[in-house]
Order: sequence, then structure tokens, then C-alpha cells
Amino acid sequence: SAVISQKPSRDICQRGTSLTIQCQVDSQVTMMFWYRQQPGQSLTLIATANQGSEATYESGFVIDKFPISRPNLTFSTLTVSNMSPEDSSIYLCSVGTSGSLGETQYFGPGTRLLVL
Amino acid sequence: GIQVEQSPPDLILQEGANSTLRCNFSDSVNNLQWFHQNPWGQLINLFYIPSGTKQNGRLSATTVATERYSLLYISSSQTTDSGVYFCAVGRSNYGQNFVFGPGTRLSVLP
Repeated sequence: SAVISQKPSRDICQRGTSLTIQCQVDSQVTMMFWYRQQPGQSLTLIATANQGSEATYESGFVIDKFPISRPNLTFSTLTVSNMSPEDSSIYLCSVGTSGSLGETQYFGPGTRLLVL
Repeated sequence: GIQVEQSPPDLILQEGANSTLRCNFSDSVNNLQWFHQNPWGQLINLFYIPSGTKQNGRLSATTVATERYSLLYISSSQTTDSGVYFCAVGRSNYGQNFVFGPGTRLSVLP
């Protein structure tokens, strides 16, 4: 299993500003991901955070808006840039591991962001 | 891309009742997982089940990959089962390009 922590747990921000969310895992993992969950909606994959190289973004998400860092195998950051009210969501960090139960995704507790 | 549907969208049960949640997907996958998001927002992995049947206590899941659907069974439901159940699928291992379904919101009444 993997234990994931995120900081901050929640924040209220003004439009036009940026927020950096941190994700820390208690063990080294190859695959780390960032998701967005808009109010009342399902989860959408933003990007795969690659250690030592640029993140891989899903369709509809760009590096200028959501820059990601992955300096090592236990840590990643997601920045939400030039925020607007439409960015109000829960942002979740996730890791993929393989074990006796097969491939398993673990999720952090999420960062609840409200943009005014 | 892969499309994922879940049914029913909402389900209300009395404590002790059984239920079946369904996930349909539009293309072949080699990774399928079921998750429970509790009322506080925490996502918990229930099953990794790209094919076959698994059981864990009161929960069990079956995936028929050739017919592109998966079922999650909840028996003797408890109030702590309330929340949203998501099915997620992908063609790669470890969650790359994972697509989540819209979820089934379950409310278990005492």
C-alpha cells in the first residue's frame, strides 16, 4: 500500500493568482498522477508526473496552466496558474503500485480549492 | 477515447439490503478498478479486476471483459457504505490514461 499526504488540504484564492499543491508519498513509486474533481463530478486525469522528465498531459490540459514538478520518486507538485472561478475543484494526487492484489491506485486526501 | 457508463446514477437502500452496480465500457481494457469515495471525499480502492471475479467481505466484483462490463455487488449494506462508487478503466498498467465513470451515488438509510 501507499500513504499519500497533500498540502494544503484546502485554500481560498483570488482570481489571477497561482497555487502550488504538494504531494508526498511514504514510499518510492514510479507512477504519480494528478486528477481534478469538479463539484459533483467524476475524476478527470490532468497529467502523469514523470520523474526526471516533463509531465505527460491529457487532452485539454496544458503545461502553462498546470505546471508539474517531480524531483524524486516520493514527491510531486501541481501548480494551478492564473486561476479563475472555473478552477474551483478538488485536486487529487494518485500513485500506481503493483502488488499481490494487482495494479492498485491510491489517492491522497485531496486539496479543496475555491477561487473567488 | 474509452467511454465509461455507470448505472444506476443514484441508489437509496435500507440497511441490510443488497445491491448491484454496473459499469459498461466502450473498448477493450486491461486495467479496471472500483473505488469508493466516502462522504468526506477520500477515495479507497476496492478491487483491481480487469477480468474474473473477486470477493472481499461483503463486497464482490465480476468483470466480463469480452462483453465490456463489470458488476460490483454489495451485500447486507451498512450506513458506512454510503458514498460514491466509481469504476475506472484503462489500457495501460499503473493508471496511465485512466478514465473514470460518472459514478453511482449510494445512500444507505438506518
